[in-house]
Amino acid sequence: GDSVTQMEGPVTLSEEAFLTINCTYTATGYPSLFWYVQYPGEGLQLLLKATKADDKGSNKGFEATYRKETTSFHLEKGSVQVSDSAVYFCAPHASGGSYIPTFGRGTSLIVHP
Amino acid sequence: ETGVTQSPTHLIKTRGQQVTLRCSSQSGHNTVSWYQQALGQGPQFIFQYYREEENGRGNFPPRFSGLQFPNYSSELNVNALELDDSALYLCASSPSGQGANYGYTFGSGTRLTVV
Repeated sequence: GDSVTQMEGPVTLSEEAFLTINCTYTATGYPSLFWYVQYPGEGLQLLLKATKADDKGSNKGFEATYRKETTSFHLEKGSVQVSDSAVYFCAPHASGGSYIPTFGRGTSLIVHP
Repeated sequence: ETGVTQSPTHLIKTRGQQVTLRCSSQSGHNTVSWYQQALGQGPQFIFQYYREEENGRGNFPPRFSGLQFPNYSSELNVNALELDDSALYLCASSPSGQGANYGYTFGSGTRLTVV
């Protein structure tokens, strides 16, 4: 089945630092790739997506590029804010059927002022 | 447009009891999925419904069952509750066949505690 490997957290940064959260995946077929974010006490929110190789998804200053050759979808942001503190999930959506997403354990990000 | 709404937000049940959780999908979405998220873990897929029929199921025992109604709202039923069923239960919806392009809209979840 599909699987996701994300870097272990928590990732602790100072405000305005550069962020990278690594994500690699295994999937059958040609999945779409998503990043979701979960703020404390809430459900998941879709952050950004890429549906084919070399596509770059972006939203709220976050970016990730679909790298088919390395099966990776690393999340980056140039300058993090305290409000970015949350848990981030990389999620391939399986091709075929109804594109059910696979989630890993997520990466917790803590941003200090 | 309204998002995904779940009820109740919190619930405490005794081991062996049965529980029903409810979800209203986002307007225009006819696909509903349920996930279990234990503390500190990622969401685990339970099952998905499309047009009132189950069209995908994860590695959960039969005591986890569900329904989808003609208005696309959904229920998750869990029988014979166990302590390990304590978790956040998330409902997510998507437009038909658009999961790859659109992704899923999640509700805020129901926190179930089994004592």
